[in-house]
Amino acid sequence: DAGVIQSPRHEVTEMGQEVTLRCKPISGHNSLFWYRQTMMRGLELLIYFNNNVPIDDSGMPEDRFSAKMPNASFSTLKIQPSEPRDSAVYFCASLTGDRVGSPLHFGNGTRLTVT
Amino acid sequence: AQTVTQSQPEMSVQEAETVTLSCTYDTSESDYYLFWYKQPPSRQMILVIRQEAYKQQNATENRFSVNFQKAAKSFSLKISDSQLGDAAMYFCAYRSAFSYNFNKFYFGSGTKLNVKP
Repeated sequence: DAGVIQSPRHEVTEMGQEVTLRCKPISGHNSLFWYRQTMMRGLELLIYFNNNVPIDDSGMPEDRFSAKMPNASFSTLKIQPSEPRDSAVYFCASLTGDRVGSPLHFGNGTRLTVT
Repeated sequence: AQTVTQSQPEMSVQEAETVTLSCTYDTSESDYYLFWYKQPPSRQMILVIRQEAYKQQNATENRFSVNFQKAAKSFSLKISDSQLGDAAMYFCAYRSAFSYNFNKFYFGSGTKLNVKP
């Protein structure tokens, strides 16, 4: 089991640039989550997908953020245009629907720095 | 909505000693799952232990055990024989067992554990 794979591990960009974060969930997991972690706000859920369909995007901060899941093995989180306040660690996590009460499995996160 | 509270922002323990991290939660649900995650400086979120609310027996995983008090809505994590590698942020999390809220996880704000040699 390769685990949840995120790329890139670090991203440094200038304000106004487009940023795309990528995630490959664990094979067979049917739910995928994007979280943002900051010192001030802790771990925030941005959006989650079930069977590739966005279910709850109420945590997406504003229209500059968008997420897609074109197939069961790939998701992207895009920020366009990026702003310094978007600097954070972004986690992708996946979940199996096969076992009731199963835990989230997290990727290693992408540390985004917007200057 | 459910809330999870970790009232200890930071704690310290001497190597080989025992430490307990606190977590309380607020819910009106009767069935749910509770988790502790560890986040070392490498920032990976690692599952430490899982507890099912309808099971009275406290979960244990090697040096890690929980004290689950359902009536008090308390879920503390005990780390025995602390090791330097236990130094990390620890997050408590709640997950509903009901389908309407099935995929929502609620996380506490975390407790930073320092381990002194």
